[in-house]
Formats: sequence, structure tokens, C-alpha cells
Amino acid sequence: QVQLQESGPGLVKPSGTLSLTCAVSGGSISSSNWWSWVRQPPGKGLEWIGEIYHSGSTNYNPSLKSRVTISVDKSKNQFSLKLSSVTAADTAVYYCARDRRGQLLSAGMDVWGQGTTVTVSS
Amino acid sequence: DIVMTQSPDSLAVSLGERATINCKSSQSVLYSSNNKNYLAWYQQKPGQPPKLLIYWASTRESGVPDRFSGSGSGTDFTLTISSLQAEDVAVYYCQQYYSTLSHTFGQGTKLEIK
Repeated sequence: QVQLQESGPGLVKPSGTLSLTCAVSGGSISSSNWWSWVRQPPGKGLEWIGEIYHSGSTNYNPSLKSRVTISVDKSKNQFSLKLSSVTAADTAVYYCARDRRGQLLSAGMDVWGQGTTVTVSS
Repeated sequence: DIVMTQSPDSLAVSLGERATINCKSSQSVLYSSNNKNYLAWYQQKPGQPPKLLIYWASTRESGVPDRFSGSGSGTDFTLTISSLQAEDVAVYYCQQYYSTLSHTFGQGTKLEIK
């Protein structure tokens, strides 16, 4: 079955850029699914960051849109997140997830990575 | 932006009893062309990623026990656990995916054993 694995630096300096990659295994990133990023600050709830389709179409959370870029690399079967101008408020566990929104008979984020903790600190 | 508001923020229920969590959206998430509510429910246990329980407001994900059910339409939704088990202790989130601009989550409801 499809599995997702996040990777990237666990520590980012303030004003820097957070960069994470989500590797997709057991399935193709070119399937009829969207691929999402969700984050969770320590002790808080879930925040949807944005999503990408294999065609390159993206949707971003309006509150983060000016700082977020999500891209896809079909040759490597992975997608990536870049978040610029980070502050301590961006410290969180970052999850990647498969969103079945592109399918007719099902929906929801059914496959999730285990999450990676990113701390913004000097 | 569609705002999702859950109630209560926390809930304590006795084992074997019914647990009910509510979710209200600031605008309808019912898509008129297919008559589907674009609303999902997730369960998150400590140290784990969220797990999809329900989509289309009432369709149970494969493998989810049938004690979990979802109901509601338009702006008001409910997740019901018919007979609480110890393993159901978790935080539960609703999420709308009606708006492509932002798939907002509710703030979460923490469910504990009384």
C-alpha cells in the first residue's frame, strides 16, 4: 500500500526557509489524488498548508500563501514544501498526506506520513 | 475562509457509553451538484498522525469500526461513537474540503474516559 515519508532539516533559523520532502512509495504520485501538507504546532490543532496535483496545480492556505511553495517531482515520485521567512510560530510537526479529493467514489486524507518536527530557532 | 467550530473542546464519557462531538461550518459544505457534504472526521492519538474515520460526512472509511458514525448536512455535523472503548481516547477533528482555497480543520475535541 501507499506509504509517505517526510524528510528535511529539523532545525531552521529565523527568517530562513523551511524545506521538506515527502517520498511516496507503493504507488504513483501521478494517480488521481492530491498531495497535501498539514502542520501541528506543539500542543495545538491541525493546520492545512496546501496541496498539489501531479499536473503541478496547487492550492494554498490563504494565511500562508505568500510564503509557501509546493512542488512535485514525478521522476522521483515525491513532492516538496518550502516555507520562507520562518519565525518561531512555524515550529511544528509537519505531515504530508494523500488526499483522495480527485477520486469520484472516495475522499479525505487517507494516508499520512509519520510527521517530522521542525523547530525554528537560532 | 470557511471556519469550522467543534463542540465541546473536551469530553469525558464512561466506557460503553455514547460519545457525541459536534462540528459547525461557517457556510454550507453541501455541494449541490452531487448532493455530497464535503466534510471529513479524523482521529489523532498522541504521537501519531491523524487517521481518517469518515468522509462525505457519513461514509465510514474501510476498516473503521462501525461504532463510529457521522451525520449531518449543510453546516451542522456530528460524530458519534456508539459505545466508547478505551482505545477511542484521542483528539477528534472535523475538516471541510468544500473550499479548494483552504481545507480548514476544526480546533479539535479531546475525548477521555470518565
